[in-house]
Amino acid sequence: SAVISQKPSRDICQRGTSLTIQCQVDSQVTMMFWYRQQPGQSLTLIATANQGSEATYESGFVIDKFPISRPNLTFSTLTVSNMSPEDSSIYLCSVEGQVGNTIYFGEGSWLTVV
Amino acid sequence: GQQVMQIPQYQHVQEGEDFTTYCNSSTTLSNIQWYKQRPGGHPVFLIQLVKSGEVKKQKRLTFQFGEAKKNSSLHITATQTTDVGTYFCAGLIGGTASKLTFGTGTRLQVTL
Repeated sequence: SAVISQKPSRDICQRGTSLTIQCQVDSQVTMMFWYRQQPGQSLTLIATANQGSEATYESGFVIDKFPISRPNLTFSTLTVSNMSPEDSSIYLCSVEGQVGNTIYFGEGSWLTVV
Repeated sequence: GQQVMQIPQYQHVQEGEDFTTYCNSSTTLSNIQWYKQRPGGHPVFLIQLVKSGEVKKQKRLTFQFGEAKKNSSLHITATQTTDVGTYFCAGLIGGTASKLTFGTGTRLQVTL
């Protein structure tokens, strides 16, 4: 399986600030996904990061709040903008797994907004 | 939109007892997947079921996909403390992995 490295792994952020999460994969992948997991909740897809074009956002998520970059086939960033306590979550970078249409998750970035 | 519900939300068992979590989708699925998330960890893929009525086993874990492809179950025989975590099902309606909908999850606690 691919090795996914996320930075930061954990952070405490002030409300109103923005934070960029970086995701590096050790091999080229076509599809990269960003998920959010709020405390004690399930996993929700934020967007699919497309190489060379704008990300595809899911309902309820907008580019202004969660801008995403995908400059190449091994790297992506997710920015959480103008954070509020409601943005306290685990943000998970993921790629398509070895078994088709499954998801392989990175270790996540645990953000707390105070 | 598609909803995938799991019951129970939480279960606490004594080590050695059996455990079952149930997953129900509001729509017919192409496949169902199961993931496990240990406390403080990230979700890890366990298995994928594709065929109606399919049953798969992984050691003490038995996974079933319903005949109508709208429900699934995960049964753990003789639980161990290493089984602690949250189990998520995820339903796929055609398309690619971006069309996965994760269930609400069942948190399992196992004590000695």
